[in-house]
Amino acid sequence: EDQVTQSPEALRLQEGESSSLNCSYTVSGLRGLFWYRQDPGKGPEFLFTLYSAGEEKEKERLKATLTKKESFLHITAPKPEDSATYLCAVQASGKETSGSRLTFGEGTQLTVNP
Amino acid sequence: GAVVSQHPSWVICKSGTSVKIECRSLDFQATTMFWYRQFPKQSLMLMATSNEGSKATYEQGVEKDKFLINHASLTLSTLTVTSAHPEDSSFYICSASRQLYQPQHFGDGTRLSIL
Repeated sequence: EDQVTQSPEALRLQEGESSSLNCSYTVSGLRGLFWYRQDPGKGPEFLFTLYSAGEEKEKERLKATLTKKESFLHITAPKPEDSATYLCAVQASGKETSGSRLTFGEGTQLTVNP
Repeated sequence: GAVVSQHPSWVICKSGTSVKIECRSLDFQATTMFWYRQFPKQSLMLMATSNEGSKATYEQGVEKDKFLINHASLTLSTLTVTSAHPEDSSFYICSASRQLYQPQHFGDGTRLSIL
């Protein structure tokens, strides 16, 4: 069974204080790892897809990296508007239809104080 | 962009009522749509996967007669909660992807409250 574990559950940072969020996963053949941002009362917003170990993606203050066992979401000099819950999800290789399903972690709730 | 619209965003109704939620991909055609349920402070739980023109695939433990899913076109899927009861109250979110294995794009969810 595919599993995704995110840590920490919650993280409080001061504006400008860089940090990283962790996503550990076990999956029977990784097809893709996805990062999403979710604001309260909203649906998740797509951030990145990573497909193979060593791959990195960047968007503004966010940088996602991938190894064979985990992914990190690095946040550089965060601002209060970066406050949200960050979700990690994996997609496993498999049969059509069922293979496209995502398994989500519980998320990291990030708060950036001004 | 990849915009997914979900309607309504909020609904309150009496126990025993059936409620229909719509999910539309506005600027792309979605071969696959997904329906999730999310409880407070918890992550998303996949309920079912649907492909246009075929029957939905439900996750284990999800009652298919309770949660009816129709994916009639490449831009529209509906979830009907039949004879809803208070325990069905939750945040329901849909997502859509252009093709198999491509990123899922999510709607803004529907908060369902059954009195």
